[in-house]
Amino acid sequence: GAGVSQSPSNKVTEKGKDVELRCDPISGHTALYWYRQSLGQGLEFLIYFQGNSAPDKSGLPSDRFSAERTGGSVSTLTIQRTQQEDSAVYLCASSLVGDRAYEQYFGPGTRLTVT
Amino acid sequence: DQQVKQNSPSLSVQEGRISILNCDYTNSMFDYFLWYKKYPAEGPTFLISISSIKDKNEDGRFTVFLNKSAKHLSLHIVPSQPGDSAVYFCASYSAPSAGGTSYGKLTFGQGTILTVHP
Repeated sequence: GAGVSQSPSNKVTEKGKDVELRCDPISGHTALYWYRQSLGQGLEFLIYFQGNSAPDKSGLPSDRFSAERTGGSVSTLTIQRTQQEDSAVYLCASSLVGDRAYEQYFGPGTRLTVT
Repeated sequence: DQQVKQNSPSLSVQEGRISILNCDYTNSMFDYFLWYKKYPAEGPTFLISISSIKDKNEDGRFTVFLNKSAKHLSLHIVPSQPGDSAVYFCASYSAPSAGGTSYGKLTFGQGTILTVHP
């Protein structure tokens, strides 16, 4: 079946502009995660959605970052007033819940470059 | 505060030999440890896991060892193949609490670039 898809694959934006990144999870996966990988760094957790529960936003680095998940499926990560330090690869993942919730399926990522 | 650390940024191995990738952690409250593999321009893919109550898990050419007293885990690949060349991330996982007040999420190390030479 189809995996996790993300769009756009690449985004170049000017400092101060807003950007939206989209994630389509695997059908039937109720858990959805956003991570980012900055140059030379590991994957940094940003936010987690699970069903209708309130999202875990503990990883968002500032209030310029927000995310929503509509209808329990597609998610959008929004970065307002982008800064150069926001440049990174933004990865979305989805999973089932339960015993194997650690097995997350990742999309190919969106490479964001802030100039 | 890096809870999961991979201190070797890269590893180079000859085809057919053993690759050993290492990872250290600081928090003993994790439920599982995982290894993910990442090729360029792709998202990470799950490779192998180990429960915190185990000390070894084997899947084909891949074996993960967990040393809880040393807070250390390692991934052994035997024999190594050129197609194994990728970035390997170790990660820890804490399951959601029974009361639903905390969330399961992965905490990743920085990654180790493995290169297997033919």
